[in-house]
Amino acid sequence: GQSLEQPSEVTAVEGAIVQINCTYQTSGFYGLSWYQQHDGGAPTFLSYNALDGLEETGRFSSFLSRSDSYGYLLLQELQMKDSASYFCAVRDWEAAGNKLTFGGGTRVLVKP
Amino acid sequence: DADVTQTPRNRITKTGKRIMLECSQTKGHDRMYWYRQDPGLGLRLIYYSFDVKDINKGEISDGYSVSRQAQAKFSLSLESAIPNQTALYFCATSDVSQGPQETQYFGPGTRLLVL
Repeated sequence: GQSLEQPSEVTAVEGAIVQINCTYQTSGFYGLSWYQQHDGGAPTFLSYNALDGLEETGRFSSFLSRSDSYGYLLLQELQMKDSASYFCAVRDWEAAGNKLTFGGGTRVLVKP
Repeated sequence: DADVTQTPRNRITKTGKRIMLECSQTKGHDRMYWYRQDPGLGLRLIYYSFDVKDINKGEISDGYSVSRQAQAKFSLSLESAIPNQTALYFCATSDVSQGPQETQYFGPGTRLLVL
């Protein structure tokens, strides 16, 4: 099976940098995705890493180390609108149908 | 118009009742999914369908059934609702042609309360 670990909550101030770590255990790793979910909203896709290294998309970056079964999402220049829950998810080629397994989510609270 | 819609958005029902949650999509995707979300547990997969004739159980399918009526429609049924099925339910779609990155697109969710 698959399992993912991420912190449950992080608090930071506007303008700060937040790093959300995700460690995973899976038998046939394809890639690591990140989704954002605002309170009362639907999850939306942020990023995907299949290879080691850093992927940058504006203020958000995502990193993957396949050898360490570890990744992180980096939120820079935090804004109030970044207050949301962030989920890592693994795609596992051994999982029937190549489906996603989600972590429990990290709630990010941005304070003025 | 939203690409993935769910009806109803909120539902209160009683223990033992049968209810159906519906999902429709205009994205033209073949793959559709049903998840439930509970606080601190993330999104857990109930059922998924890779085309109209392909239905598969997810990690928590007990007590649920699904029907893929058309490429664009995927419904979730609770045959006899119980209180621990109180949760937020999401439908999602994806496009296999994206390859390994295959992004999932979620509907707005249905908040279900079973009394």
